[in-house]
Amino acid sequence: EAEVAQSPRYKITEKSQAVAFWCDPISGHATLYWYRQILGQGPELLVQFQDESVVDDSQLPKDRFSAERLKGVDSTLKIQPAELGDSAMYLCASSLVGEATGELFFGEGSRLTVL
Amino acid sequence: AQKITQTQPGMFVQEKEAVTLDCTYDTSDPSYGLFWYKQPSSGEMIFLIYQGSYDQQNATEGRYSLNFQKARKSANLVISASQLGDSAMYFCAMRELHNTDKLIFGTGTRLQVFP
Repeated sequence: EAEVAQSPRYKITEKSQAVAFWCDPISGHATLYWYRQILGQGPELLVQFQDESVVDDSQLPKDRFSAERLKGVDSTLKIQPAELGDSAMYLCASSLVGEATGELFFGEGSRLTVL
Repeated sequence: AQKITQTQPGMFVQEKEAVTLDCTYDTSDPSYGLFWYKQPSSGEMIFLIYQGSYDQQNATEGRYSLNFQKARKSANLVISASQLGDSAMYFCAMRELHNTDKLIFGTGTRLQVFP
């Protein structure tokens, strides 16, 4: 069964360092999402792509976060510099375009700890 | 603006009993979809069940059913015959058809099943 791949699974870093997360969606899924989930809370959308274009990045802290999906396939989420409050699970998900009634398929997530 | 509310931070249920997890939502879009996801301690988000706003019947998937009351804007998840493996976080989520396809999550309910 096709899966959304994410790496790294766990990342520990010191504040002010740069961090990057990678996501490879299910083949054929044009829509890709990055969510941040702080411990004990629900996932919060950071950025949404359709193909290589950003559809929604209204909740992305653009002073330190960036996301790209250059060829409309895999995607990278970067944080620079990392802050203590960035400690969270970063979830990537994908779905078929135009399938508003379809489910999102999630990866296993990347758990970030900032010391 | 779309909003999801889960008022139960935690729920306990005995094995083999049924349990209802509450979810209310708010939207001005007449076309929307409601989802329930399960998140075990390992972190991955597992899709459970989907209900469309125009669906006439309540959705069911095995031991999961969705009690959809459109006029009250509620979409409660019912788990029948609870199993120890059902212990996890459960998130209600909504997607508006005439929005950007983003999925908005509630704050979640932690379910603990005891023998």
